[in-house]
Amino acid sequence: KQEVTQIPAALSVPEGENLVLNCSFTDSAIYNLQWFRQDPGKGLTSLLLIQSSQREQTSGRLNASLDKSSGRSTLYIAASQPGDSATYLCAVNKSNDYKLSFGAGTTVTVRA
Amino acid sequence: SAVISQKPSRDICQRGTSLTIQCQVDSQVTMMFWYRQQPGQSLTLIATANQGSEATYESGFVIDKFPISRPNLTFSTLTVSNMSPEDSSIYLCSVEDWGQGMNTEAFFGQGTRLTVV
Repeated sequence: KQEVTQIPAALSVPEGENLVLNCSFTDSAIYNLQWFRQDPGKGLTSLLLIQSSQREQTSGRLNASLDKSSGRSTLYIAASQPGDSATYLCAVNKSNDYKLSFGAGTTVTVRA
Repeated sequence: SAVISQKPSRDICQRGTSLTIQCQVDSQVTMMFWYRQQPGQSLTLIATANQGSEATYESGFVIDKFPISRPNLTFSTLTVSNMSPEDSSIYLCSVEDWGQGMNTEAFFGQGTRLTVV
């Protein structure tokens, strides 16, 4: 069974600091890894999708890397802003299996 | 990207009653899923909604408790039946379009926040 772990569980930083969020998974036979953002009581917003053949993806201030062999992904958020405060979730789906396995998330607070 | 409309956004229900949640997508999609997120927890897959046939349920979830319909490629409903306070959660609809293969993004609705009293 795929286990997805996110460390740290919570993170508080001053505005302007760079954020580093970690995601690890136990089974390296994945198809995709996806990062999501969730605001309190709301649904999920897709941030980045990394296919298994890729090493990283970038969108604006966000950059996600993938090291499939070691079972790790890192989400970097540059120059954090108070609007970045949310819970960030990573999810993977196994090869030939559409089901997503989610981590528990990292709750980020950016202090103004 | 797919735009998903999920209704209702929140509800407070009496125990023993049922609630039907609707999920409407702005385009035809291959796969539709229903997830549950209990307070303070991550997402757990309830079932895959199959068009024109019975949903495929994950371990721990049964059709009598969570009946699902999917009459076409853009619409699905999830019913939470005979509710108890333990059913208080956020319920989320998700879609993936595998028309281009498995390397596609998953998109989510805004969720339904259910409180059972």
